[in-house]
Amino acid sequence: GESVGLHLPTLSVQEGDNSIINCAYSNSASDYFIWYKQESGKGPQFIIDIRSNMDKRQGQRVTVLLNKTVKHLSLQIAATQPGDSAVYFCAASGGGADGLTFGKGTHLIIQP
Amino acid sequence: DAGVIQSPRHEVTEMGQEVTLRCKPISGHNSLFWYRQTMMRGLELLIYFNNNVPIDDSGMPEDRFSAKMPNASFSTLKIQPSEPRDSAVYFCASSIQGAGTEAFFGQGTRLTVV
Repeated sequence: GESVGLHLPTLSVQEGDNSIINCAYSNSASDYFIWYKQESGKGPQFIIDIRSNMDKRQGQRVTVLLNKTVKHLSLQIAATQPGDSAVYFCAASGGGADGLTFGKGTHLIIQP
Repeated sequence: DAGVIQSPRHEVTEMGQEVTLRCKPISGHNSLFWYRQTMMRGLELLIYFNNNVPIDDSGMPEDRFSAKMPNASFSTLKIQPSEPRDSAVYFCASSIQGAGTEAFFGQGTRLTVV
């Protein structure tokens, strides 16, 4: 089956700096990857996704990079704002697995 | 659209009691997922329905847990009898095409079993 892990449980960045959150997955057959943001007391909220036929995808202030060779995924947030403070999860699916397998999450802390 | 709607938002029950969690997916979505979130284990997929049919329930912890989806607009997750270790936040999510697409999550039900 799939296992998904994040490299750091907590990441602290200065407001205005760029944030990079990393994630690794185990199943080379996984073909869909997604990042969620979860604020306290709320459900996970979609940020951006990417399929295995791509290695980069950009959204508004966010970029997801996929390296299938080393099974690594990253989320880059440009010009981090106080509202970006949350727990960020990466998730993967495919390779015969139904549903999304989530990593444990990285808590992004924004320092003024 | 109101999004995925879960009820209740909070539930406190005594050990041994039956607990029923409810979910209304987004209209038009044909896949529904139940997840459980704890500090120790993170977000775990419990069961997944496609077109109201359970596809994968391998994540359901044990026989005390059961889930139904009688129609496209309603699903329940039942725990009977409940135990303190079932305390967690339970999320329902729905998507338009099943696995491999963006899932929209509800606000969750925080269950406390005392």
